[in-house]
Amino acid sequence: DAGVIQSPRHEVTEMGQEVTLRCKPISGHNSLFWYRQTMMRGLELLIYFNNNVPIDDSGMPEDRFSAKMPNASFSTLKIQPSEPRDSAVYFCASSLGSGRAVEQFFGPGTRLTVL
Amino acid sequence: DAKTTQPTSMDCAEGRAANLPCNHSTISGNEYVYWYRQIHSQGPQYIIHGLKNNETNEMASLIITEDRKSSTLILPHATLRDTAVYYCTDDYKLSFGAGTTVTVRA
Repeated sequence: DAGVIQSPRHEVTEMGQEVTLRCKPISGHNSLFWYRQTMMRGLELLIYFNNNVPIDDSGMPEDRFSAKMPNASFSTLKIQPSEPRDSAVYFCASSLGSGRAVEQFFGPGTRLTVL
Repeated sequence: DAKTTQPTSMDCAEGRAANLPCNHSTISGNEYVYWYRQIHSQGPQYIIHGLKNNETNEMASLIITEDRKSSTLILPHATLRDTAVYYCTDDYKLSFGAGTTVTVRA
């Protein structure tokens, strides 16, 4: 298996632009997680899906952020409009099962820079 | 804020065991202890998790105290490729603190 796939790996954009990050989970996994990592705040869970349904989006910073999972093999995280404070590494992870006692498999991340 | 505390850094000699402590004094009865590591510029990698009993897998061993307020991750034979930041958390949402930067030296 190729593991969790994320694209793009790097994104540089200007403030106010729309940014879309993409994730393909490991085949057969039914939970998908979006995280954000910065030096100041560490790793933060933004949202997670189970069986394509958003279960917990309490970590989504504000209305500028939205996430979708139209099917079991694809998810997007969209930021519109983007701001410099959104600059971070965004990770997608997937797992078989949800909640406690499961191993999450992380993708390589998307490094976002908003100028 | 992270509910776990770990030492900031640790050095280990290649081939020796590395013992990484973690305090999770506010852990509740049904919360697991999870360990992940992050090698520079990569995504976090799962190592091991446990609830009450000690656990062992191909990567490491996890020793949990009887009161569950602390645990120790043991890398039995550290290699240079084990150099990474190691995170301990009792939150299944993986809210990591700063972790322990482990440097394995030849």
